[in-house]
Amino acid sequence: DVKVTQSSRYLVKRTGEKVFLECVQDMDHENMFWYRQDPGLGLRLIYFSYDVKMKEKGDIPEGYSVSREKKERFSLILESASTNQTSMYLCASSSPIPGKYNEQFFGPGTRLTVL
Amino acid sequence: DQQVKQNSPSLSVQEGRISILNCDYTNSMFDYFLWYKKYPAEGPTFLISISSIKDKNEDGRFTVFLNKSAKHLSLHIVPSQPGDSAVYFCAAKFRRNSGGYQKVTFGTGTKLQVIP
Repeated sequence: DVKVTQSSRYLVKRTGEKVFLECVQDMDHENMFWYRQDPGLGLRLIYFSYDVKMKEKGDIPEGYSVSREKKERFSLILESASTNQTSMYLCASSSPIPGKYNEQFFGPGTRLTVL
Repeated sequence: DQQVKQNSPSLSVQEGRISILNCDYTNSMFDYFLWYKKYPAEGPTFLISISSIKDKNEDGRFTVFLNKSAKHLSLHIVPSQPGDSAVYFCAAKFRRNSGGYQKVTFGTGTKLQVIP
């Protein structure tokens, strides 16, 4: 069973703080993703990584950075948190092999509130 | 620019009836489509998918239909059950290069409520 875990379910931070969101997957997947989910906007891709130390910007990378030092771990970093980064953050992983592995497996999400 | 659109933010259906969730896309390069289901306080889970070479895929109570000429797909749930109440996201993707990493574009979601 694929498992994607996220370090926190709920997080409250203050404006200007540096925030780290951690994600770990146990399926040896090459691809990992960070999304944010906001009402009326669906899931929007922030960054993704297709290999260790590789990263690519998604649709809304501004204000975020990522780190992938190990295959199983993908971190999202908010360098200086702002109130408009209050959101649900979802991590996902997938295998690049075509066929039944096309789907992404998601973690439970981190609800981040920036005050 | 929203390339994958779910124009109905919510849908209510009686238990036992058919639920039809719709999705439209604009990018003709998309070649694989997926539906995910999301319960509150959980991450989305994969439900069913369809390749652009097919027009229908069925899995139990769930069927996805693809109309490429109209750039439209739909998810049919028959019969609907109260446990199907969730937010459903349509998603689309295409291969960007031979490396195989797959950027997926999600729709905005439709909240389905199945009334007992």
